[in-house]
Amino acid sequence: EVQLVESGGGLVKPGGSLRLSCAASGFTFSTYSMNWVRQAPGKGLEWVSSISSSGTYIYYADSVKGRFTISRDNAKNSLYLQINSLRVEDTAVYYCARISWGNYFDYWGQGTLVTVSS
Amino acid sequence: DIVLTQSPGTLSLSPGERATLSCRASQSVSNSYLAWYQQKPGQAPRLLIYGASSRATGIPDRFSGSGSGTDFTLTISRLEPEDFAVYYCQQYGDSLWTFGQGTKVEIK
Repeated sequence: EVQLVESGGGLVKPGGSLRLSCAASGFTFSTYSMNWVRQAPGKGLEWVSSISSSGTYIYYADSVKGRFTISRDNAKNSLYLQINSLRVEDTAVYYCARISWGNYFDYWGQGTLVTVSS
Repeated sequence: DIVLTQSPGTLSLSPGERATLSCRASQSVSNSYLAWYQQKPGQAPRLLIYGASSRATGIPDRFSGSGSGTDFTLTISRLEPEDFAVYYCQQYGDSLWTFGQGTKVEIK
């Protein structure tokens, strides 16, 4: 069974940093591209970042470029998101999601909440 | 960047009725790269349809997707109580993924 479990969310002040993690199991992690998608409270879904299976190709939404860094450790079956210079508008549930061949998100984690507030 | 616009924002229907949800793209989208998701309160999104018209594993056949180019539709043939939720379309192009703003299907 495919499982994605996020962790690392919490309350942080504007300008602060956090590192989110996603532990994957139930599939061959090293063969799939992985993504982060976020959802602000009461709002819709927003794609944040993508990383290819080997980590060679990385993409970011314009809204987070230069502040967020995606990475992965295939030996540990883990995905990460380093988020710096946090803004109030970064407050959201952050989901880890697996990308399938057709560039759709076929499995999602339960999400981890990041709250940016002074 | 391709913008997806979903309509209506809210659909008020009764169980047993047919739901038709629209997703319109600002530019042509490859059929291969159009998907639909269902999200219930407090839950992660669930993949329903990929490739514009293929049902994901375990999705009942009352859910169907259609369309091409810039106009796509998700149809729920007969609403079950568990289908009342928010639905999102999503596309991929030029190394970017975008979602529509969502359509809420609520009980009338």
